[in-house]
Amino acid sequence: GIQVEQSPPDLILQEGANSTLRCNFSDSVNNLQWFHQNPWGQLINLFYIPSGTKQNGRLSATTVATERYSLLYISSSQTTDSGVYFCAVVYNNNDMRFGAGTRLTVKP
Amino acid sequence: DTEVTQTPKHLVMGMTNKKSLKCEQHMGHRAMYWYKQKAKKPPELMFVYSYEKLSINESVPSRFSPECPNSSLLNLHLHALQPEDSALYLCASSQLGAGDTEAFFGQGTRLTVV
Repeated sequence: GIQVEQSPPDLILQEGANSTLRCNFSDSVNNLQWFHQNPWGQLINLFYIPSGTKQNGRLSATTVATERYSLLYISSSQTTDSGVYFCAVVYNNNDMRFGAGTRLTVKP
Repeated sequence: DTEVTQTPKHLVMGMTNKKSLKCEQHMGHRAMYWYKQKAKKPPELMFVYSYEKLSINESVPSRFSPECPNSSLLNLHLHALQPEDSALYLCASSQLGAGDTEAFFGQGTRLTVV
């Protein structure tokens, strides 16, 4: 099956710092999404980004499908950005797999 | 509306009980998913239904029995569970085919087996 690797596994930042999270995948995918999981377990959609670049406020994402990676950028981080960030890929049209996640802690 | 509704939010059950988890969406999505998530781990795929037919079963023990009675509903029937089955169970849905296939998740059911 497809392998999805996220890095770094853990990241500690000071408030106001910028960060880049990476997702590598081992095969062609139909779809790629970034999620933020809040402390109550809810997976919040950040980006649906099978290819290209998107921006939403302080967050942006880029997927280079031909090179099998995606990046999530967080600028001017805030304490509310803390949590786990997951990358999920869909292959074979309906098989959606998650990376292990990046646990982000933003300190005031 | 991008809502996926899961009930109940919390469930405590004994090892001899039978219970069901329910998931509902009204976005017209034709793929529905069950995931299991243990603490500090990513969601693990259990089952996928495509056009109301089971398309993926990740070798899940038979004490978990999925059901898709129609295109809006997904159930997960539980019986004779073990304490190690305690976890957060997440449901998701997405469209199939060409175009936007963004997936949306419910809030999950936090299951404790005693």
